[in-house]
Amino acid sequence: GENVEQHPSTLSVQEGDSAVIKCTYSDSASNYFPWYKQELGKRPQLIIDIRSNVGEKKDQRIAVTLNKTAKHFSLHITETQPEDSAVYFCAASILGGGGADGLTFGKGTHLIIQP
Amino acid sequence: GAVVSQHPSWVICKSGTSVKIECRSLDFQATTMFWYRQFPKQSLMLMATSNEGSKATYEQGVEKDKFLINHASLTLSTLTVTSAHPEDSSFYICSASPSGGGELFFGEGSRLTVL
Repeated sequence: GENVEQHPSTLSVQEGDSAVIKCTYSDSASNYFPWYKQELGKRPQLIIDIRSNVGEKKDQRIAVTLNKTAKHFSLHITETQPEDSAVYFCAASILGGGGADGLTFGKGTHLIIQP
Repeated sequence: GAVVSQHPSWVICKSGTSVKIECRSLDFQATTMFWYRQFPKQSLMLMATSNEGSKATYEQGVEKDKFLINHASLTLSTLTVTSAHPEDSSFYICSASPSGGGELFFGEGSRLTVL
């Protein structure tokens, strides 16, 4: 099955600086890579996703890059703000064939924005 | 976005009792729903894939006789934790995708505490 590794487990950055979280996956058949933000005690919220036919995607301060050859993808948050503090999870799955596939999650990164 | 609702949001029960958690897709039909478990400060672990009208598919290491899943309609899946024990205490979250593929929407989660 799929295995997703995520680093770092904790990341502390100064407000206004950039944050980068990296993930690797093992199954070359995976073609969908979402990133979720989870605040304490709440449900995960999708913040951005990328499919394997795209190398990079950006949405305001958030961007994701994908390297299919190396099987890794990264989340980039620029101009970090206090409200960005949360746990971020990367995930991977296989879409297609008319059905959904369960996501395999990384272990999460606790992002701390220092004022 | 699509709405997935989960009930109850929290439950406390005595050891040995059974607890049922409901997951509903409010504005779309879902032939497939996913059940995850999340222990404190850990990642989401896929427990099982719930399939409407057929048996659920369980991940390795998840006891199907302990975690009963029923997906009786296109908008409702239930997870029953049978003979619950303290080690079953966790945050249980369901998810579903409107299109059968792509973005997964999560329920609010159900926090189970077994005394």
